[in-house]
Amino acid sequence: GAVVSQHPSRVICKSGTSVKIECRSLDFQATTMFWYRQFPKKSLMLMATSNEGSKATYEQGVEKDKFLINHASLTLSTLTVTSAHPEDSSFYICSASPQGAYSNQPQHFGDGTRLSIL
Amino acid sequence: ILNVEQSPQSLHVQEGDSTNFTCSFPSSNFYALHWYRWETAKSPEALFVMTLNGDEKKKGRISATLNTKEGYSYLYIKGSQPEDSATYLCAKLWGGKLIFGQGTELSVKP
Repeated sequence: GAVVSQHPSRVICKSGTSVKIECRSLDFQATTMFWYRQFPKKSLMLMATSNEGSKATYEQGVEKDKFLINHASLTLSTLTVTSAHPEDSSFYICSASPQGAYSNQPQHFGDGTRLSIL
Repeated sequence: ILNVEQSPQSLHVQEGDSTNFTCSFPSSNFYALHWYRWETAKSPEALFVMTLNGDEKKKGRISATLNTKEGYSYLYIKGSQPEDSATYLCAKLWGGKLIFGQGTELSVKP
């Protein structure tokens, strides 16, 4: 089955550090990947749609300069939290599907990254 | 703003009980509804993708129904087991992206 790998699973770092999170599709090509953030006691909030070879599409209220997304290949999207602050501490998770976005097939999720900014 | 609502937020049942929960969504511009199970320390796992009004899908003891005209889907678990404990998420496919509900957290006690 389709497998999505996300790395790292946990990051603890100082305020002001930039943190890069990788999302890889291991056995399929993904022209589109999605990045979500989970707030405490809340569901998955879509942050942005990562598009291979073009700019990401950000949801309303998500700062594109704070959350940089790069989708340079068909199997890798990265989310960089720039100059992270304690309020950026959260759980970030990515998803992708072999059939892309407009499909009746399910998304496959990474294991998520727990980001803690001290 | 597209709102997907799930109820209840949490549910505690005894092993062997059957249970069900609800996902409500705007009925307009319907394309698909997804259900996922999310166990602690794991990634969300797809249960069903439902597309047609009146759809009923089944996977083992879990089944789901869909009413696109009134904008709701039910997820049923028959004879709950402790391993069913998880958060169950529904999501409406809208504009090529999934809009998730807040989830129903199910706890099954042995």
